[in-house]
Amino acid sequence: AQRVTQPEKLLSVFKGAPVELKCNYSYSGSPELFWYVQYSRQRLQLLLRHISRESIKGFTADLNKGETSFHLKKPFAQEEDSAMYYCALTEGGGGSNYKLTFGKGTLLTVNP
Amino acid sequence: NAGVMQNPRHLVRRRGQEARLRCSPMKGHSHVYWYRQLPEEGLKFMVYLQKENIIDESGMPKERFSAEFPKEGPSILRIQQVVRGDSAAYFCASSPQASRDTQYFGPGTRLTVL
Repeated sequence: AQRVTQPEKLLSVFKGAPVELKCNYSYSGSPELFWYVQYSRQRLQLLLRHISRESIKGFTADLNKGETSFHLKKPFAQEEDSAMYYCALTEGGGGSNYKLTFGKGTLLTVNP
Repeated sequence: NAGVMQNPRHLVRRRGQEARLRCSPMKGHSHVYWYRQLPEEGLKFMVYLQKENIIDESGMPKERFSAEFPKEGPSILRIQQVVRGDSAAYFCASSPQASRDTQYFGPGTRLTVL
């Protein structure tokens, strides 16, 4: 069964510092990986997905199949980045690729 | 477009009562998904529905839980004879298609069982 692990429950950095939120997964096939974000009092929303290979709000994430990781990075954190971040995956290709499996989330706090 | 709507936002029930959670998908979306988030856990898939059809209920407990998405009206997640372990946040998401489409989430319903 697929599993997503986010080892850090809490992460605190200062404004302008680099930030990396870790995500490791276990899945026997070729998954599709996502990062979702939930800002305070807002709903969960998609931040980025690995197949898009895009940068959103300065964040990037690279899928490393060898290390089964999909870490989220930003070179210079901003206070408005403070939020709960969830890593998630679905099965790639056909089949149940609508079924998101989420990690437990990392609460990022960016201090002024 | 108001986005995915869920109501109520907070629901308190006593053990043994029934809980009904409603989800109205985004306009133009015909695919609905329900997820449950227990305290200190990530969201877990429960069920996927299209209009009048349950496509995948592999994540739903076999007893007391049911879901529907009628031709008219919102999707309903129904929990009969609630127990304290049902206390959780229940999220609904919708998408225009199923395969590889972005799922848009509602604000969630927080169920508390006393």
